Parts: sequence; C-alpha cells; structure tokens
Amino acid sequence: IAGITQAPTSQILAAGRRMTLRCTQDMRHNAMYWYRQDLGLGLRLIHYSNTAGTTGKGEVPDGYSVSRANTDDFPLTLASAVPSQTSVYFCASSDSAGTQYFGPGTRLTVL
Amino acid sequence: RKEVEQDPGPFNVPEGATVAFNCTYSNSASQSFFWYRQDCRKEPKLLMSVYSSGNEDGRFTAQLNRASQYISLLIRDSKLSDSATYLCVVRYRHSGSARQLTFGSGTQLTVLP
Repeated sequence: IAGITQAPTSQILAAGRRMTLRCTQDMRHNAMYWYRQDLGLGLRLIHYSNTAGTTGKGEVPDGYSVSRANTDDFPLTLASAVPSQTSVYFCASSDSAGTQYFGPGTRLTVL
Repeated sequence: RKEVEQDPGPFNVPEGATVAFNCTYSNSASQSFFWYRQDCRKEPKLLMSVYSSGNEDGRFTAQLNRASQYISLLIRDSKLSDSATYLCVVRYRHSGSARQLTFGSGTQLTVLP
C-alpha cells in the first residue's frame, strides 16, 4: 500500500441498507478525515480523527459514524442509507505540517 | 455566506494564456491557505501553499491579501495539462481540531489547443 486507499471504488445501495466505506493509510499520519463532495457544494467534512482512539464531528455528521481503532484505518459507516447520501466520499490524512492527502474516493449511489 | 468563495467558472483559455483565479474567505482567524488541484473524477491534490509574502512555483504564483481576505492563483503560459478544477482551501483553528480545512467549491479551468 502506498498512501491512502479506499474501498469500494463505487457502490449502488438500496435505501435503508447499512454500508461501511473503508479507508486505510500507510503513512502513519495521526489525523484522518472523511469528506463528501457534491456538485456546487465542494468538499464538506463529515467526521475527523486527530489520533487513534478519538473522533470528532465535522460540518455534516448526521447519518454517519466513524471509528478509529488504530492509526491506519478510519472506516465510515452509514447506518441506514438515504438517497441524499448519494455522493463521492473522500478519505484524507494529514502530516505534521497539516498538508492533507486524499484517497481516490468512493462513488456511492443510494436508490 | 460560504466561508470560502470562488468564481466557479468555467474559464476557457487558449494554450499559452495567463489566467488568474481569486478566492475570498470570511473568517479573519484563518491561519493557512492552499490551492489544491482536482482532475475530473479524481481526488484533490495539493498544488501549493500560499504565504503572506506571495510565492511562486514554476508557472504558478500564489498571493495572499489578509487585509482584504482574498487569495489568488496566477497561471502563466497555460498548458493543456493545466485543465482541472482549482480548489481554494483555508485552515483555521476549530475547537475540535487544529488541522481542519475549509474548501471552496472550485474554479474549473479548460485550456484549449
């Protein structure tokens, strides 16, 4: 692994289903983030984690949960997906200087 | 009002042209400033940081005006490969995390042959 990986690349999901988006980084960065990107709205922060064992809410946290059991992994869970959660989801981590590095994204469609 | 505002464009310019993007931010406590580049259906990548004194990286020049709360990006001698969306990004100290970024919605650039 080099950098940040996300899985799946894309997913079509029925409304009401539970879904976990995976994110793994191998850069040993302490801070990690989940964003969603929607046309005309830019990137919006969903949740973040400053270090393993801690998480915080971003701008649009409702309907999403995260966990940070270790440094490398930061999964995002949609407990009961709704169509408004159709979006492109980016995971990111930041180095000690605060520069953020993004994963390739997950395209999620909720029907 | 959005915290970070950009002209969405699109900017369509011929190869070799000079193009400038502006961005304004509303939080005067903003600490750090960046330009990210995002290619179609790809992840954002850091293009350059923006320093108070202005800084240059090859054909790219970034400037910051704290008094007016705007940031600019100048691209000289545009190449076809410069076609992308350019995101203005601001970082300021949140209560929960010192390293959260706020993104503008991006300015789309297309360089034409």
